[in-house]
Amino acid sequence: AQTVTQSQPEMSVQEAETVTLSCTYDTSESDYYLFWYKQPPSRQMILVIRQEAYKQQNATENRFSVNFQKAAKSFSLKISDSQLGDAAMYFCAYKMDSNYQLIWGAGTKLIIKP
Amino acid sequence: NAGVTQTPKFQVLKTGQSMTLQCAQDMNHEYMSWYRQDPGMGLRLIHYSVGAGITDQGEVPNGYNVSRSTTEDFPLRLLSAAPSQTSVYFCASSYYSSRTEAFFGQGTRLTVV
Repeated sequence: AQTVTQSQPEMSVQEAETVTLSCTYDTSESDYYLFWYKQPPSRQMILVIRQEAYKQQNATENRFSVNFQKAAKSFSLKISDSQLGDAAMYFCAYKMDSNYQLIWGAGTKLIIKP
Repeated sequence: NAGVTQTPKFQVLKTGQSMTLQCAQDMNHEYMSWYRQDPGMGLRLIHYSVGAGITDQGEVPNGYNVSRSTTEDFPLRLLSAAPSQTSVYFCASSYYSSRTEAFFGQGTRLTVV
């Protein structure tokens, strides 16, 4: 069965600095998709970034980028120039190409220090 | 667009009571699902549907019932609430495609006393 592991329950970073959140997953599939979602205190789940496993190039969305290492089954999220509004829970999720269910990690709480 | 509308936002139930969480989407998404979120456990799939008239169980279906009579609506019924069902519940929808993102409702915080 596929699993997603986020080993950092909580991370903190100084405002304007860079932070990396870790995610590893276990799968025997070759085609799949990976996502990072943000959940601020409002509870709303917001897509941050997505990565297709068949693409070697790492996805980037403004200050957010990923380091996708397919062989190592690793999918970390880098947030550059951290802002107070980045404070939230961050969830890593996996979806197989042949199945539309999302498998979720336990989440990392990101604290931004002003 | 309203996106995914989930009601209510908060609910307190007594043990043994039943209730229905409502979920509606206006994006013509085929795939809809219900998750529960518990501290330290991420989101776990309760039930899902790939279209009107088609539903299936997820990882934690016991104590919950769903139906999908229209593309837009996907209600979740708690048959006889138990304290173990205290959680935050999310409805989500997406196109029936593996690459597309899921859109989420705002969640329901349910407390069973």
